[in-house]
Amino acid sequence: EAEVAQSPRYKITEKSQAVAFWCDPISGHATLYWYRQILGQGPELLVQFQDESVVDDSQLPKDRFSAERLKGVDSTLKIQPAELGDSAMYLCASSLEREANVLTFGAGSRLTVL
Amino acid sequence: GNSVTQMEGPVTLSEEAFLTINCTYTATGYPSLFWYVQYPGEGLQLLLKATKADDKGSNKGFEATYRKETTSFHLEKGSVQVSDSAVYFCALSDLILTGGGNKLTFGTGTQLKVEL
Repeated sequence: EAEVAQSPRYKITEKSQAVAFWCDPISGHATLYWYRQILGQGPELLVQFQDESVVDDSQLPKDRFSAERLKGVDSTLKIQPAELGDSAMYLCASSLEREANVLTFGAGSRLTVL
Repeated sequence: GNSVTQMEGPVTLSEEAFLTINCTYTATGYPSLFWYVQYPGEGLQLLLKATKADDKGSNKGFEATYRKETTSFHLEKGSVQVSDSAVYFCALSDLILTGGGNKLTFGTGTQLKVEL
């Protein structure tokens, strides 16, 4: 069964350092999402791509977070500099069509900022 | 804006007990409703969905009915198993007006623990 691949699974970093997460969606899925899940809370959308274009980044803290999907396939989410409050699970998801409302999630990347 | 409210956990049940996890929502328009499940160390998996009022979603013995009049989508299972232990998230999906696509809004999740 096709999966959304994410790496690294776990990342520990010190505050003020830079960190990056990578996501490879299911082949053929045009829509890609990055969610942040703080412990004990539900996931919150950070950014959504349709192919290589951003369609929603209204909740992305743009002073320190950036996301790209240069060729419309895999994607990178970067945080620089990391802050203590960024400790969370970062989830990537993809869906087949622009209007599709069924998302397939990856296993996530757990970030701990010390 | 859209929001989803779930009952707080953890919910602890004995095997074969009846399960209900309450979920209510606030949304403009006519959202689709979902239940996702997250097993320890794993990502979220779609459990079931309903796209319009009075629809019933079902999967693996779980079911939920989209109730527009009470803005609810409660999750039920007649007989839980130890393997059902996980965190369950209620969510709604609404169209993003600019740029297209769908935006999922999640509840805070309800942890279910099933004991022998």
